[in-house]
Amino acid sequence: DQQVKQNSPSLSVQEGRISILNCDYTNSMFDYFLWYKKYPAEGPTFLISISSIKDKNEDGRFTVFLNKSAKHLSLHIVPSQPGDSAVYFCAASANNAGNMLTFGGGTRLMVKP
Amino acid sequence: DVKVTQSSRYLVKRTGEKVFLECVQDMDHENMFWYRQDPGLGLRLIYFSYDVKMKEKGDIPEGYSVSREKKERFSLILESASTNQTSMYLCASSLSQGVYLYYGYTFGSGTRLTVV
Repeated sequence: DQQVKQNSPSLSVQEGRISILNCDYTNSMFDYFLWYKKYPAEGPTFLISISSIKDKNEDGRFTVFLNKSAKHLSLHIVPSQPGDSAVYFCAASANNAGNMLTFGGGTRLMVKP
Repeated sequence: DVKVTQSSRYLVKRTGEKVFLECVQDMDHENMFWYRQDPGLGLRLIYFSYDVKMKEKGDIPEGYSVSREKKERFSLILESASTNQTSMYLCASSLSQGVYLYYGYTFGSGTRLTVV
């Protein structure tokens, strides 16, 4: 039973355009969400996070939106750059679960020059 | 400044060998984790540890064991390597509390293990 799902395994976007990566979750106890970025042959690195008390968090070109009623979050990258090409994982945490992270399956983003 | 170090980037082992993957963190984190990443399957948790000498099974513990004798070191052991254990192995660490103040897990660079 996948509690965190990224239904798009891959996404291709033109440089300069917006990239939108989606993530759905089923556990209503999740109250903190994170996005990680992973390049080949490297470990995932933290990108941006959002608490369930917010519906938006922005950091430069990256914005995460949270829709609690739909149990959906999305990562927007504007403008997309070729260096953004990587696998993106969303993750969720529930405060009553010892702050363990549950990861989605990942979305491979390809930004074409 | 490297904070989670995995001993090998690439490893090739033969079927049936006993394989040790080592991970060291220098952030005094209580929690340590071992994941494997396979195409289309995302990050799957093998084992984790929340304290020295403590371990908990993750989602796919079969064929693996772990050891945590010191707080900073977490070892993954493949008792008898098989070809279906060919994968990218990722170690991570985190504080046990206050994830909201920090950035979730810190990952190592990964070990690409090939079993032939």
